Amino acid sequence: KNEVEQSPQNLTAQEGEFITINCSYSVGISALHWLQQHPGGGIVSLFMLSSGKKKHGRLIATINIQEKHSSLHITASHPRDSAVYICAVVSGTYKYIFGTGTRLKVLA
Amino acid sequence: DAGVTQSPTHLIKTRGQHVTLRCSPISGHKSVSWYQQVLGQGPQFIFQYYEKEERGRGNFPDRFSARQFPNYSSELNVNALLLGDSALYLCASSLTYTEAFFGQGTRLTVV
Repeated sequence: KNEVEQSPQNLTAQEGEFITINCSYSVGISALHWLQQHPGGGIVSLFMLSSGKKKHGRLIATINIQEKHSSLHITASHPRDSAVYICAVVSGTYKYIFGTGTRLKVLA
Repeated sequence: DAGVTQSPTHLIKTRGQHVTLRCSPISGHKSVSWYQQVLGQGPQFIFQYYEKEERGRGNFPDRFSARQFPNYSSELNVNALLLGDSALYLCASSLTYTEAFFGQGTRLTVV
């Protein structure tokens, strides 16, 4: 079993839909990241969380430390949101453990 | 201010050859980590270096090695390449232990 599990693996949505991506982890962490990876390969950090909730534009990320669970929400989804969204936890010093990613496609 | 830069961006090698990938961290960042991302999967941790010393190693064979130079840039070396080494190799630099900044990656194809 992977230490970081994401669901769903693939997601297709219509433009404007509300989207939720889930992440569960089984190790102790000091922080959790939500990352976005476009087809070219580069990774961009969307959020870093150690507790509670963060919001940036149409993106909202939450974490429940007790339940070892985090969610990424996208409101009013748009085709430009199409990408792979990766949950990664920081376990130990500098070491990231990544989920396998959620491939999101938003249709116009 | 430049982000994390990796070179080359793409590379094709033959089985059995050796490859060197390079990474320049963000100015002031002393930690560099390397990750391998096979198509369709999440990145896997290979190495972490801090102040030129190896601080962590993932579950990779001894064919994989790395080093960090006095200017904090880093090289990842892979010997005796196998087809299964084909992947996107990502470098990340960090100032704090909880946040990393990723380069665009080097896409290695072994034929």
